[in-house]
Amino acid sequence: QSVLTQPPSVSAAPGQKVTISCSGSSSNIGNNYVSWYQQLPGTAPKLLIYENNKRPSGIPDRFSGSKSGTSATLDITGLQTGDEADYYCGTWDSSLSAWVFGGGTNLTVL
Amino acid sequence: QVQLVESGGGLVKPGGSLRLSCAASGFTFSDYYMSWIRQAPGKGLEWVSYISSSGTTVYYADSVKGRFTISRDNAKNSLYLQLSSLRAEDTAVYYCARETAYSYGPWGEGTLVTVSS
Repeated sequence: QSVLTQPPSVSAAPGQKVTISCSGSSSNIGNNYVSWYQQLPGTAPKLLIYENNKRPSGIPDRFSGSKSGTSATLDITGLQTGDEADYYCGTWDSSLSAWVFGGGTNLTVL
Repeated sequence: QVQLVESGGGLVKPGGSLRLSCAASGFTFSDYYMSWIRQAPGKGLEWVSYISSSGTTVYYADSVKGRFTISRDNAKNSLYLQLSSLRAEDTAVYYCARETAYSYGPWGEGTLVTVSS
């Protein structure tokens, strides 16, 4: 059971928008920055969003992040088949003194 | 460019030990905190351990505390993870990752550790 809760799967058609949620508590999301990671099949995770809503260079603006209270969301617009991957949220948990990840969300682009 | 390359994985018997290494290049290694993160087959990401830039501060997940030891050699641009008292549930791909702005990026390609008799 992960400390951060994500839906196991989401799906949408090409060109559409999808939102992936990440729910936590005051000891993690509520008081720390959230980051998001994309893991394409058979590859290592890649940083998509840091400090809640910032994109590293090279990440398209189709990917955006936000945070409100103890929850965070990742939005992906203009879906492409190449976006099919697992997506993870992560943050520091001040009570556990540990970094925590969500269980991951598998995105299918129908 | 920034690169992290893990090595040292393999097949080990329960109760055995292994030392993983991560060679860093393309950035000033001594300026960054580093972590090990693992992923069991077909499962999600699990943070394992974290070390400060100087090596003076370390944290461990409860699941590995007392069995794994993280260390670094800034002169060799290398990160290490000593795995001891290994269990079947430690079977995973182990990634090293650089901490930047309260996040992890980049990640290495990972090294597979299999614990089995």
